[in-house]
Amino acid sequence: AQSVTQLGSHVSVSEGALVLLRCNYSSSVPPYLFWYVQYPNQGLQLLLKYTSAATLVKGINGFEAEFKKSETSFHLTKPSAHMSDAAEYFCAVSEYSSASKIIFGSGTRLSIRP
Amino acid sequence: EAGVVQSPRYKIIEKKQPVAFWCNPISGHNTLYWYLQNLGQGPELLIRYENEEAVDDSQLPKDRFSAERLKGVDSTLKIQPAELGDSAVYLCASSLGLAERTDTQYFGPGTRLTVL
Repeated sequence: AQSVTQLGSHVSVSEGALVLLRCNYSSSVPPYLFWYVQYPNQGLQLLLKYTSAATLVKGINGFEAEFKKSETSFHLTKPSAHMSDAAEYFCAVSEYSSASKIIFGSGTRLSIRP
Repeated sequence: EAGVVQSPRYKIIEKKQPVAFWCNPISGHNTLYWYLQNLGQGPELLIRYENEEAVDDSQLPKDRFSAERLKGVDSTLKIQPAELGDSAVYLCASSLGLAERTDTQYFGPGTRLTVL
């Protein structure tokens, strides 16, 4: 069975600082991996996805994530945090053969300090 | 282009009452999903439709939950009767339903249900 583990339910960084949100996955088959963002009272929006092409994936709003098979990780980073980045971030995994069934992590709430 | 539309956005009901949620997917999207999101958790799939057919409803509590997607476009999720533990956000998502690996799900804003 596939699963994702997000380390840290809450991360707080200063504006302008590096953002690092951690995600480790478990999958018996080559996975697809996703990062979604959810702003308050809104649905989820896709930030980026890994589908076995380049291991470093660039997404929207300056975010990127690197697929590391040896570490079974897909951590999300952004070099410089902005106040507008405050939101809930979800890592997700699905089977390589189908992006239809996605398993979400429990989420990490990102807070930005002025 | 309009995104996934859900209504109502908020619903408060008393336990044992019925409730229904409506979803209109992005035009041209063949696959429609209903998710349940509890507070502080990630979404969990309830049911997935490919056109009119429910192809994955293994996580749908069928004793009280039902869903339909007539004509393969919009969809309704119903709970009857509602229980206190059903308080959550119900998210609808849609995707093109491509056989390829790059299908992307697009989410609606959700319906926040409170059962008193």
